[in-house]
Amino acid sequence: QKEVEQDPGPLSVPEGAIVSLNCTYSNSAFQYFMWYRQYSRKGPELLMYTYSSGNKEDGRFTAQVDKSSKYISLFIRDSQPSDSATYLCAMSAFQYGQNFVFGPGTRLSVLP
Amino acid sequence: DTGVSQDPRHKITKRGQNVTFRCDPISEHNRLYWYRQTLGQGPEFLTYFQNEAQLEKSRLLSNRFSAERPKGSFSTLEIQRTEQGDSAMYLCASSRANKGTRETQYFGPGTRLLVL
Repeated sequence: QKEVEQDPGPLSVPEGAIVSLNCTYSNSAFQYFMWYRQYSRKGPELLMYTYSSGNKEDGRFTAQVDKSSKYISLFIRDSQPSDSATYLCAMSAFQYGQNFVFGPGTRLSVLP
Repeated sequence: DTGVSQDPRHKITKRGQNVTFRCDPISEHNRLYWYRQTLGQGPEFLTYFQNEAQLEKSRLLSNRFSAERPKGSFSTLEIQRTEQGDSAMYLCASSRANKGTRETQYFGPGTRLLVL
């Protein structure tokens, strides 16, 4: 079993839909959780950063962490074609980057 | 703040050749990371530097790989005697890590390597 699992997609939704992206993990020590967006042929860019359990909202994006279920989610409201990208979750037991473990990513297409 | 830059963006080489990639981090970022990303996978940690010191290397980093950050600014990643399995995107990221504060990594655009 991989440490971090993510449905690879592709996930296609119409413009304006609410998108739900998810990751599951096996390491109960993880307490820092991140979502990255990666456009084709570009490096990942950080979207959301959450520590421990709970919700965090930033504009159209909401990150949820349920540590008891070892499950994290990213919701995108009012999705736009410009949201079409691969979304990677990453997590770590420690604060520092050398410990980050990335999921394989979910490819999202938002159709106009 | 010009972002993290990597050079070259693409490299095609023949098996057995040596290749070298360069990463220029965001200025004043003390940490620099190298990752490898293959198709359909997330980035995998290879190694990182705090200033000029290489502090950790992944088991993925075979002895054909070497990385340097000689003056604590730019970094190079060299792969000797390339193999087809080395074909991947090589990503560099930098951050300013201070004790007690959250670390945010900023990624470069990557160097895509194809070994024929």
